[in-house]
Amino acid sequence: AQSVSQHNHHVILSEAASLELGCNYSYGGTVNLFWYVQYPGQHLQLLLKYFSGDPLVKGIKGFEAEFIKSKFSFNLRKPSVQWSDTAEYFCAVNARNYGGSQGNLIFGKGTKLSVKP
Amino acid sequence: DAGVIQSPRHEVTEMGQEVTLRCKPISGHDYLFWYRQTMMRGLELLIYFNNNVPIDDSGMPEDRFSAKMPNASFSTLKIQPSEPRDSAVYFCASSFRQGAGYTFGSGTRLTVV
Repeated sequence: AQSVSQHNHHVILSEAASLELGCNYSYGGTVNLFWYVQYPGQHLQLLLKYFSGDPLVKGIKGFEAEFIKSKFSFNLRKPSVQWSDTAEYFCAVNARNYGGSQGNLIFGKGTKLSVKP
Repeated sequence: DAGVIQSPRHEVTEMGQEVTLRCKPISGHDYLFWYRQTMMRGLELLIYFNNNVPIDDSGMPEDRFSAKMPNASFSTLKIQPSEPRDSAVYFCASSFRQGAGYTFGSGTRLTVV
């Protein structure tokens, strides 16, 4: 079955540490890729997205992600995290040419990030 | 734009009661999605609409759940009768085109006791 995998359930870092959250998907064909962030008690907000072009995508708040097609991956990175980055991060894929329904995103299970001050 | 607007923000109800959640998408967005979020199951797509027409409702858990979109600016998700296992945060999201990112509402936290 089609899926989006986020390998880390919970990541704990100290401030200023570097971050990389893994995301792999299992779709063929054209994909759009997204990372969303959900701060405690809030709704999901778009962090960054990839549709085409440069596989290194820069988003808000210093986050970036790299699309590696051969690895079906779209890992999220940040060189130096802050306490305010404590949140849950969701990877999502829109697979437009792989059966199933079109138009909807498939979300991973999420990775909780806790940043210690 | 005010974004995606959901109401109520919180709902506490007794088992067996009918619950109606409401959503107003962003004007001009042709796609509307209902998601449910729980600790155990994460984010689950329940149903989505395109131009007010339900496209995929395979995520609707049971016949107790129903969703409507009578016009482009309003959608409801109804649970009748509600059960404690329906307790979750229900998010509505909208999108202006296929494959674009979604804008989420603030969610409705439903507690069924």
